Amino acid sequence: NAGVTQTPKFRVLKTGQSMTLLCAQDMNHEYMYWYRQDPGMGLRLIHYSVGEGTTAKGEVPDGYNVSRLKKQNFLLGLESAAPSQTSVYFCASSPMGARRGTQYFGPGTRLTVL
Amino acid sequence: KQEVTQIPAALSVPEGENLVLNCSFTDSAIYNLQWFRQDPGKGLTSLLLIQSSQREQTSGRLNASLDKSSGRSTLYIAASQPGDSATYLCAVMGWEGSGGSYIPTFGRGTSLIVHP
Repeated sequence: NAGVTQTPKFRVLKTGQSMTLLCAQDMNHEYMYWYRQDPGMGLRLIHYSVGEGTTAKGEVPDGYNVSRLKKQNFLLGLESAAPSQTSVYFCASSPMGARRGTQYFGPGTRLTVL
Repeated sequence: KQEVTQIPAALSVPEGENLVLNCSFTDSAIYNLQWFRQDPGKGLTSLLLIQSSQREQTSGRLNASLDKSSGRSTLYIAASQPGDSATYLCAVMGWEGSGGSYIPTFGRGTSLIVHP
């Protein structure tokens, strides 16, 4: 049981390049989230999903797109990276039911945009 | 829009002290509140989850309380140790009407240093 995994762990991009971050969970959770964490800013929600095939915008969605084609995977895409997107990105998942809201986090992806 | 504030932003204490970390939120219509620990350069580890119908949760030396009506939660750490040094974050699960779902909002965290 690996929990929540993120790929890649580190990445350096040039301005204008594109990339996709992959989040995978093996706990059969319905809900999945993408956050970014910047120094002194806490975690800010980018996009989230309440089930396979659904996505919704969070607090800071501009410049990002997401897809949830399979229940266990949640992809975060940057179509044209900007230096302002330099950050640490975290993925999380949570179950439905009485334990809904208990978030389980991945180890993070550190992204630098030059 | 839900806003979550954590006070203090930073705390440095000698080993053995009992500590109180504070988390306040603006919208009391929450589903639950969760406390996390984050070590430098690492991900988040869940410490305690309090459902909206509960008043407190305990795990070892940690005790978290919730007062929904006043929009406050406290994390109490008993007999602090150097290994407790980390950033502590609280997250509130609140209703986001436009999306039709509960979504989490995080505070900025309290950075704790416990020195020997």
